[in-house]
Amino acid sequence: DADVTQTPRNRITKTGKRIMLECSQTKGHDRMYWYRQDPGLGLRLIYYSFDVKDINKGEISDGYSVSRQAQAKFSLSLESAIPNQTALYFCATSDRTSGSWELFFGEGSRLTVL
Amino acid sequence: DAKTTQPTSMDCAEGRAANLPCNHSTISGNEYVYWYRQIHSQGPQYIIHGLKNNETNEMASLIITEDRKSSTLILPHATLRDTAVYYCIVALKTSYDKVIFGPGTSLSVIP
Repeated sequence: DADVTQTPRNRITKTGKRIMLECSQTKGHDRMYWYRQDPGLGLRLIYYSFDVKDINKGEISDGYSVSRQAQAKFSLSLESAIPNQTALYFCATSDRTSGSWELFFGEGSRLTVL
Repeated sequence: DAKTTQPTSMDCAEGRAANLPCNHSTISGNEYVYWYRQIHSQGPQYIIHGLKNNETNEMASLIITEDRKSSTLILPHATLRDTAVYYCIVALKTSYDKVIFGPGTSLSVIP
């Protein structure tokens, strides 16, 4: 089983709908992230969380919200989806205690907004 | 944080060494160089990182120039499974909110 699990893996929805992407991890890491990837581009940081009570905006947080329900769970919500939010979304984790910045990524959630 | 410049794409013959360059001329003294790769549309995978000295692990070697303004990731014996997009990232160990994954280099390993 994957250490960082994202659900759903694929989702097609309509403009205006509320969408939640979920991420859970079994690595025991304290830090979790949500990234967005558009075709041909790199990854852009949406939100990140250093622990359950710490949520921070990334480069492109507008139109998104997050919830850190537990150390192992970090959800990304689109309150009213729009077509330009069509993208591949990645959840990632890292471990503060390791002293490293290595990120561990999930397999991605492909979202299409019609 | 410093930004990086990488070639858009490269080809490498299977079995040969793949040398992927990265320019980071504005790197500061306490910023590390990290390399990740992304195979098809899977989640990126960490490869290696370094500060000043050259580094080697089971996946690759990282050569950093003495002035630290550029680096090269070396895959010693490229295989078809190494076909991927390779990202060079420069960041402080604590700059999680400022990390930039640029377009990277698309490496194609040719049979």
